[in-house]
Amino acid sequence: QKEVEQNSGPLSVPEGAIASLNCTYSDRGSQSFFWYRQYSGKSPELIMSIYSNGDKEDGRFTAQLNKASQYVSLLIRDSQPSDSATYLCAVRFSGTYKYIFGTGTRLKVLA
Amino acid sequence: NAGVTQTPKFRILKIGQSMTLQCTQDMNHNYMYWYRQDPGMGLKLIYYSVGAGITDKGEVPNGYNVSRSTTEDFPLRLELAAPSQTSVYFCASSSLPGQGIVEQYFGPGTRLTVT
Repeated sequence: QKEVEQNSGPLSVPEGAIASLNCTYSDRGSQSFFWYRQYSGKSPELIMSIYSNGDKEDGRFTAQLNKASQYVSLLIRDSQPSDSATYLCAVRFSGTYKYIFGTGTRLKVLA
Repeated sequence: NAGVTQTPKFRILKIGQSMTLQCTQDMNHNYMYWYRQDPGMGLKLIYYSVGAGITDKGEVPNGYNVSRSTTEDFPLRLELAAPSQTSVYFCASSSLPGQGIVEQYFGPGTRLTVT
């Protein structure tokens, strides 16, 4: 069974620090990787996507993918209290139209 | 563009009742998905569809049915509601996978309680 795993947290960081969120997946044939942010009571919102090994930066967010080690991470620089949310990792595995989600990591940014 | 819309926003069902959760998208997406999210958990795929008339099971399909008669609509039917179906239900859509990275767009969710 294809799996996506995340540490549930909470991960607490002070305002202005770098928050590092990690996700591992079970299938080497995975194709696309996504990070969603979900505020309490709201729907998931896509913040980053990546499919090639290496880093992808967008503003304060950097996604890092290492297919050999089967992990994908999200770095949030200059963390703000408004970044406090649950971050969901999702993987689309090769040969399917399905996206498998991790259980999410709760991030708390302390003012 | 309204994106993905879902109705109702909230619903309370008694055990054994049935209901349909509605989902509509106006982005002409071929792919549509139903997920459920239990408290403190990630999203579990219930059913998905790759186009009108084509549906397939996800990870947790038992107790649910779907149909896809049009590109825009993808209703989820609950028959004989059980307390285990208490959850938040999200509908999502995406364009054709395989064309680069394809993002899923989510609806606002339906919060369902079965008592």
